[in-house]
Order: sequence, then C-alpha cells, then structure tokens
Amino acid sequence: QQQVKQSPQSLIVQKGGISIINCAYENTAFDYFPWYQQFPGKGPALLIAIRPDVSEKKEGRFTISFNKSAKQFSLHIMDSQPGDSATYFCAASISGNEKLTFGTGTRLTIIP
Amino acid sequence: SAVISQKPSRDICQRGTSLTIQCQVDSQVTMMFWYRQQPGQSLTLIATANQGSEATYESGFVIDKFPISRPNLTFSTLTVSNMSPEDSSIYLCSVDSGQTEAFFGQGTRLTVV
Repeated sequence: QQQVKQSPQSLIVQKGGISIINCAYENTAFDYFPWYQQFPGKGPALLIAIRPDVSEKKEGRFTISFNKSAKQFSLHIMDSQPGDSATYFCAASISGNEKLTFGTGTRLTIIP
Repeated sequence: SAVISQKPSRDICQRGTSLTIQCQVDSQVTMMFWYRQQPGQSLTLIATANQGSEATYESGFVIDKFPISRPNLTFSTLTVSNMSPEDSSIYLCSVDSGQTEAFFGQGTRLTVV
C-alpha cells in the first residue's frame, strides 16, 4: 500500500510559537498534498494544500514547504494559538484518482 | 464546497448485528468515499462509490462485510455487517469537489459491545 509517513505523533507548543509537522511519501506519482485539521467529534477539514510545481505555499499563519527531491513536505503553523489544538493529517493523492492516502496524524496541543 | 450529513452520529451495537450509515450531500457528486478511522488512528479508505455501478473496495475490505449503496448522486449508505468489537471505529463519508478538495461528514462513531 502506498504510504505517507508523518511525524511527530504528538506535539506540544507554547502559544505564539511555531508548530512544525513533517510528512514523507514514497510514490513519486503523487501530485497533490493536502493537510487536514480535525477537531474531536468532527470530520477532517481541508486546511491548505500544495502541488509539486511550487516549493512553498502560505495561507495566513499556515505554510506548506515541499521538497520534491526528498519526497517530503511539512506544515508550519506560525504564532500558534490554543484554537489550533487539534489533530493534523497530511495526505497525498494522484490527479484523476481522488483517493487520499493519509498520514498517521499529529495531535497538536498549544499551551498558554 | 459541499455540506455532508451523516446519520447516525453515534451508535452502540451488539456484536453480530448490522448497522447502516447514511450519507447525504447537498449537491450532486460523482464519487463518494467511505473511510474508517480506528481509535487514535489515521483514516483508511474502505471503498469508492459511484452512482450506477458497484462500489470499488480497497485491499482488506470486502463487499459482504461492508455493502455500499449509491442510489443517486447525492446519497450513499455503508452497512457494517455482522459486527464485532474490532469494527468499533469512526466511519466517515467523503466527497470530492471536482477540484481534488475532499469534504468530510462529521462521522459516525460506532461502538460494538
């Protein structure tokens, strides 16, 4: 099965700090890399996504960095807030095949 | 965007019984997906449901255990059959926006006792 490896499993960051979550993939056919945010009792919601034609994408406090040669991508949350406390999943898919392969998830806790 | 409603939101079921989960979308979509999220785990795709054709199951999932219906472009059901405690999970319905963005329902939390 095509895999997406995610780390760390859990992360505690002080309010105002930078949260960094990393993912690595194996299948070079993947060409769409979204990040999902999931709060308890809710379904995952798309946070930000990137395609391999760019190395970085920023939306507000959230930035994806993408390294095609290393087959890695990461999520950076700047100025982390308690409301960012959630589980984050990276994912990957192939255009034309809309099935998502998810990473194992990172439980992020932002402490005051 | 798409708004997805799942029913029930949670249920506690006896082993050996079956539960049917409903997924209703507020717009017509070609493909609907069913995922399983075991406690504290990631999401695993069970099957892809297209209207008018048999669902396509991923490795490790079979139709006899997880029969799926897709009677029209806005609705689908997933049945978890002959349940055992190992089936205790969150089951999520998802649709694709047509631009690769996937939307998820709030999930059905199933506990099998």
